[in-house]
Amino acid sequence: KQEVTQIPAALSVPEGENLVLNCSFTDSAIYNLQWFRQDPGKGLTSLLLIQSSQREQTSGRLNASLDKSSGRSTLYIAASQPGDSATYLCAAPREAAGNKLTFGGGTRVLVKP
Amino acid sequence: ETGVTQTPRHLVMGMTNKKSLKCEQHLGHNAMYWYKQSAKKPLELMFVYNFKEQTENNSVPSRFSPECPNSSHLFLHLHTLQPEDSALYLCASSQAGGVLYGYTFGSGTRLTVV
Repeated sequence: KQEVTQIPAALSVPEGENLVLNCSFTDSAIYNLQWFRQDPGKGLTSLLLIQSSQREQTSGRLNASLDKSSGRSTLYIAASQPGDSATYLCAAPREAAGNKLTFGGGTRVLVKP
Repeated sequence: ETGVTQTPRHLVMGMTNKKSLKCEQHLGHNAMYWYKQSAKKPLELMFVYNFKEQTENNSVPSRFSPECPNSSHLFLHLHTLQPEDSALYLCASSQAGGVLYGYTFGSGTRLTVV
């Protein structure tokens, strides 16, 4: 069974500071790792998808790394903005679990102007 | 919209009502999912459909009844719900047989049971 943990559960930073969000998973035999953003009361928006053979993926100010051997992924958001305030979730589907995602509890981010 | 459309966006229903949630995707995916998100709890997988066939029921109470008439549409029929069923219900889709290209989620239906 896959267990996904995200630490910290909440994070508050001043605008302009870089954000570092952590995701750890217990079963390293994963297809990929996907990072999502969720605004309050809304659905999930996919941010980055890292395949199991990749070490990192970048999109604009976002960079995600993946270390399967240690069961960790990190999402970096450079030069944070108030619009980055949201909950960030990671999900790591196990190869043995077919296409079922296991989510972490999320990190709630507040970027203060 | 993200390519996965959920209706209605908000629903208030009494415990004796019958209602349905609808999900539609135009991404050419052939796997669809229902997830439940309660306050302060991680997302919980409810049902998985691959090529219209249900392949996963995560011990969901029978008062939730899914239906997948084709690969593009997914319904969740609700009857005699309890107040603790109030939550955000999310639909998602992906390619079946693996998630190499990731999941796409809808915006969710906020359900309140009174």
